[in-house]
Amino acid sequence: GAVVSQHPSWVICKSGTSVKIECRSLDFQATTMFWYRQFPKQSLMLMATSNEGSKATYEQGVEKDKFLINHASLTLSTLTVTSAHPEDSSFYICSASSPRSNQETQYFGPGTRLLVL
Amino acid sequence: GENVEQHPSTLSVQEGDSAVIKCTYSDSASNYFPWYKQELGKRPQLIIDIRSNVGEKKDQRIAVTLNKTAKHFSLHITETQPEDSAVYFCAARGDKIIFGKGTRLHILP
Repeated sequence: GAVVSQHPSWVICKSGTSVKIECRSLDFQATTMFWYRQFPKQSLMLMATSNEGSKATYEQGVEKDKFLINHASLTLSTLTVTSAHPEDSSFYICSASSPRSNQETQYFGPGTRLLVL
Repeated sequence: GENVEQHPSTLSVQEGDSAVIKCTYSDSASNYFPWYKQELGKRPQLIIDIRSNVGEKKDQRIAVTLNKTAKHFSLHITETQPEDSAVYFCAARGDKIIFGKGTRLHILP
């Protein structure tokens, strides 16, 4: 149980285009999902906390107009990188809390590797 | 802001020996401390966690200790095996979860 999927697993796009990444909880309902960014050989940087049915809470320094987050259902959250530029190239990982683990444990998706040319 | 320090950043251990990774946290309200293992190109996987009302927890070769007074917690891996090679992240959760910078563990044959 507590499986989280992400799609796509990797994407290459031209500078200026927008990219949407989906995060799904497959066998549980996640009221809260988290979006992280990870640079090579570095730690997980929390970008935003996504709550179903409400606006996401963004961490300091993360542009909400640049990284649009939607959490329309209890099993799906999306991250859209708008007008992507090469500096947005990174590994983006989502996670979700499972109600079976007191909402504390986070289960991670497999990540999406974004390369902006 | 709140912070989690993790040491060492890199650790090489002979196969069969023990490995210890240490973390300190600054938010005294933190009450949940998970450890994640991330293999190259893969997702972080929860390997063990501990809550603030417990001082130690063990799961086979893996154990975690917590000292709330000193605000530090440690991961102990005994009888290390090649498949233990990975990056390990500690985290502390108060209002939100904060991750350490990770420890790259190499198990030497």
